[in-house]
Amino acid sequence: ETVLTQSPGTLSLSPGERATLSCRASQSVSTSYLAWYQQKPGQAPRLLISGASSRATGIPDRFSASGSGTDFTLTISRLEAEDFAVYYCQQYGRTFGQGTKLEIK
Amino acid sequence: QLQLQASGPGLVKPSETLSLTCSVSGGSTGNTSYYWGWIRQPPGKGLEWIGTVYYSGSTYYNPSLKSRVTISVDTSKNQFSLKLTSVTAADTAVYYCARRMQVVGGLDVWGQGTTVTVSS
Repeated sequence: ETVLTQSPGTLSLSPGERATLSCRASQSVSTSYLAWYQQKPGQAPRLLISGASSRATGIPDRFSASGSGTDFTLTISRLEAEDFAVYYCQQYGRTFGQGTKLEIK
Repeated sequence: QLQLQASGPGLVKPSETLSLTCSVSGGSTGNTSYYWGWIRQPPGKGLEWIGTVYYSGSTYYNPSLKSRVTISVDTSKNQFSLKLTSVTAADTAVYYCARRMQVVGGLDVWGQGTTVTVSS
């Protein structure tokens, strides 16, 4: 079973800064099946990225993702107040990473 | 617009069976482009995939839960269901139902979640 490890566990940044979140898989993941989600307190997760780099409908272009094999990255180019949340990666619609909390510095 | 609504008892006794149903509106569980899944989130913790079902009835389960989980789909009622047997306090969580895209695997539509507490 593939394990996804996200880093860092918590990321403290200020609005306007760039955020880089990492997701590392214990074995190679098909690029087509790597997804990223955002979750705010009390809400269901929201799909941001699927197929490793394709933004979901309505997701702003400040969100981008890249990677292949075992190393994947979610980048938020210029943080806005609404972006502070927990982010999860997921492979093949199954295993989730443990999450990265993006908090305001 | 597709909507998912999970429903079921909010309180289940230890050793009993947790049963939830996800009702789908604005779309069809018979659509061959999608799978239908259950995910849970214990209080203060991360997301855990429970399992997924296809319109044909094919199922895929988290190995750590496989011995206790059954997921089924009823296309005539446009709903899918989760049964988790022999529950303990560790099964206390918010349970989400979601739609999974077949081609790229992302969960693109989520229900609002339903809280299930396991307690006597």
